[in-house]
This record gives sequence, C-alpha cells and structure tokens, in this order.
Amino acid sequence: DQQVKQNSPSLSVQEGRISILNCDYTNSMFDYFLWYKKYPAEGPTFLISISSIKDKNEDGRFTVFLNKSAKHLSLHIVPSQPGDSAVYFCAAGFGNEKLTFGTGTRLTIIP
Amino acid sequence: DTAVSQTPKYLVTQMGNDKSIKCEQNLGHDTMYWYKQDSKKFLKIMFSYNNKELIINETVPNRFSPKSPDKAHLNLHINSLELGDSAVYFCASSRRYEQYFGPGTRLTVT
Repeated sequence: DQQVKQNSPSLSVQEGRISILNCDYTNSMFDYFLWYKKYPAEGPTFLISISSIKDKNEDGRFTVFLNKSAKHLSLHIVPSQPGDSAVYFCAAGFGNEKLTFGTGTRLTIIP
Repeated sequence: DTAVSQTPKYLVTQMGNDKSIKCEQNLGHDTMYWYKQDSKKFLKIMFSYNNKELIINETVPNRFSPKSPDKAHLNLHINSLELGDSAVYFCASSRRYEQYFGPGTRLTVT
C-alpha cells in the first residue's frame, strides 16, 4: 500500500525556468511533509519541510505548497539550475517520527 | 566533519555469510534509523532507535539485527545473507522529523 506517491518518474526542465515536482498522499494522519534531493551514490539530502498547519513554506529558490483537502504537495524550484538535476523524494510523517517516502522523481535541468 | 557516516561504502559477499554495517552520527541526535533502498529505488524504513532503545521495527527478517551501543552509533548486523538482501542501505539520524542520511552502503550478495 503506497501511501505516498510521486506519479512522474522523470521531469526535464530548461535552465532558468520553474521546476514543479508533485506528490500525493493517502493517509490523512500525516502532519509533516518533507522533500529530499538525492545525487547518485550519495544519501538523500534534506531540502525543505512543511507542517500540516501551513500551506506554504519558502527557502530561497525552493517553495513547498501543501493542499490538505486534495492530499497533495508540490515543490517549486525557481529558477532551475543545472546543479538541481537529481532525484527528488517527498516524504510524510506523523506520531512516532517514522517517515514514509515516495518513489522519487528524476529531475533533469537542460542547459 | 561528516554528520552521518557509514562503513563500508561497498560490501560484496557470498550467500550464507554474516556481515555488519556501521553507522555513526555527530549531530547529537537522539534517534537513528536504518533504511533499505531496493532495485526499484524505493526507500523503506527497517528500524529506528531512540536513545539506544528500539522504537520502530518494520517487517524485516530476523536475520537483520540492529545494535546501538550508544546514541551516536547504530550498527546493522545481517546473518545468513541471501541474494535478495542486495540493496543500498542508508543510515539516518534525526531530532524530530528532519532526518539526515549517511552516504549509503551498497551490499551485493553473490
């Protein structure tokens, strides 16, 4: 039972444009959401998070939006840079701090 | 000054062997985790320890045994290795939800 889903396995975006990565979840108990970035042969790196009491959180070029009624969150990266090319995982958690991860979206920034 | 470190980075071994992977964090976090990333790149939690106490134990064969000698270390011991154990294993630590990951250990069982 995949409680956190990233339906786009890959995404290509021109450098300088906006990258939008999407994530859907099914468990309404989740109250904390995170995005991670992963380069090959490295561990996931924490990017940005949002709690369920907010609908937006910004950190530099990265913004996460949460739509609780739709059980949907998205990560916006603007402007996209070549170094942003990586696999992005969304994750969700509640209670005992166990995180459930999505299957990832491979973002490629085209120079 | 690596925050979460794992050794070894690569591990190749034969079926039936016993092996260990070590993890250390210098972030002062109370909680540590082991994750498995399988061939489909799906990242799934295996275990979680808080202050040396096991708090999450997902459905994992009992050939896998975590050991936490102190809150900065969480090692993973695997008995009687099987082909299906081949994967990348990640250690992580956290104070709350924000987890910080190690570089991973690629285990290959032949």
